[in-house]
Amino acid sequence: QKEVEQDPGPLSVPEGAIVSLNCTYSNSAFQYFMWYRQYSRKGPELLMYTYSSGNKEDGRFTAQVDKSSKYISLFIRDSQPSDSATYLCAMSGGNSGYSTLTFGKGTMLLVSP
Amino acid sequence: EPEVTQTPSHQVTQMGQEVILRCVPISNHLYFYWYRQILGQKVEFLVSFYNNEISEKSEIFDDQFSVERPDGSNFTLKIRSTKLEDSAMYFCASRISVLSEQYFGPGTRLTVT
Repeated sequence: QKEVEQDPGPLSVPEGAIVSLNCTYSNSAFQYFMWYRQYSRKGPELLMYTYSSGNKEDGRFTAQVDKSSKYISLFIRDSQPSDSATYLCAMSGGNSGYSTLTFGKGTMLLVSP
Repeated sequence: EPEVTQTPSHQVTQMGQEVILRCVPISNHLYFYWYRQILGQKVEFLVSFYNNEISEKSEIFDDQFSVERPDGSNFTLKIRSTKLEDSAMYFCASRISVLSEQYFGPGTRLTVT
């Protein structure tokens, strides 16, 4: 079983839709959870950084962590064409180390005007 | 806003040649990382560096790879004898403390022919 699983998509939505992106993981020791946005051939850009279970909101973005289910989500409200990118989840903690990040493969999001 | 920078943006080299990829982390950050992303694959951890020494490295980071912080601002990744399979995007990242957010540079695309 892969450590971090993420549906590669593409996920196509119309402008203004609410988008839900998800990752599951197998390592129960992960404690820090991140979402990055990556445009084609660019570096990952940090969107959200959360610790342990719970919700965190920042503007149109909400990150949710459910450690009991080993499941994390990113919600994007009022999606815009500029949100079209690949969204990467990443995690750290436990025997994988607090320092290094383990990434999912990314979900490609396409928001049409 | 401070950012991680990387040079060159694209490097083409022949198999067996040495390459040096350069990064300038965010100035007050103390932890430095290299990751790579083969086209279509997930971002993979290579090495972490703190206090002028390697703190963690992955199985990918074999004897062909080395890292150095030659001065107070640069952080380099050297590949001694490149192979075709080293073709990838290489990302540098930095963070201020071991549990803080990790910020990525724009990447260097390495093409080995």
